[in-house]
Amino acid sequence: SSELTQDPAVSVALGQTVRITCQGDSLRTYYASWYQQKPGQAPVLVIYGKNNRPSGIPDRFSGSSSGNTASLTITGAQAEDEADYHCNSRDNDGIHNYVFGTGTKVTVL
Amino acid sequence: QVQLQESGPGLVKPSQTLSLSCSVSGGSISSGDYYWSWIRQPPGKGLEWIGYIYYSGSTYYNPSLKSRVTISVDTSKNQFSLKLRSVTAVDTAVYFCARWRAGARENDGFDIWGQGTMVTVSS
Repeated sequence: SSELTQDPAVSVALGQTVRITCQGDSLRTYYASWYQQKPGQAPVLVIYGKNNRPSGIPDRFSGSSSGNTASLTITGAQAEDEADYHCNSRDNDGIHNYVFGTGTKVTVL
Repeated sequence: QVQLQESGPGLVKPSQTLSLSCSVSGGSISSGDYYWSWIRQPPGKGLEWIGYIYYSGSTYYNPSLKSRVTISVDTSKNQFSLKLRSVTAVDTAVYFCARWRAGARENDGFDIWGQGTMVTVSS
């Protein structure tokens, strides 16, 4: 099965921009989706498809992809954006199999 | 507004079967637009997809868990369930139910999640 690799942790100054990456072979074929998870809470979908935001997700969140790497960018990070972020895609083994990334802890300074 | 809510025992003994249910409110589980999923997260670790079910009863499982997992649906109760057999300590995790959008890959994503329920495997 495929693996999705993320940096364990990144930090960003308040109001600055941070990019979180997710690498894996399956991303050459399938879109990544991104989830924000705060301590003790369920994940929340923030980006899906090419670069789509569910209703209620601020437009400072955006997604992009190139080759085997998907990225989530937070432009103008806010204190409430401090959280774990997980990427996800279908697995190369089959369209009904899914893999999550290792997760990135984002700290807003 | 669709909501999902997990329920089930918080403590399971080793070698026994973990059983959880997920109740769907605010929408019908029989909508053909979604797959109904189980995902887990061991303490301090990442997320792992367990499997999902379509309202018709078609199921798909993570190959690494397939031999121990059964997911079923009860459309009359608007809920779906998870059974994980022969559990060990490594199955200790927060278990989430979630909704996956069927259809175009452009819509890929688990768009609604339950709050999660912690299950500990211990004697």
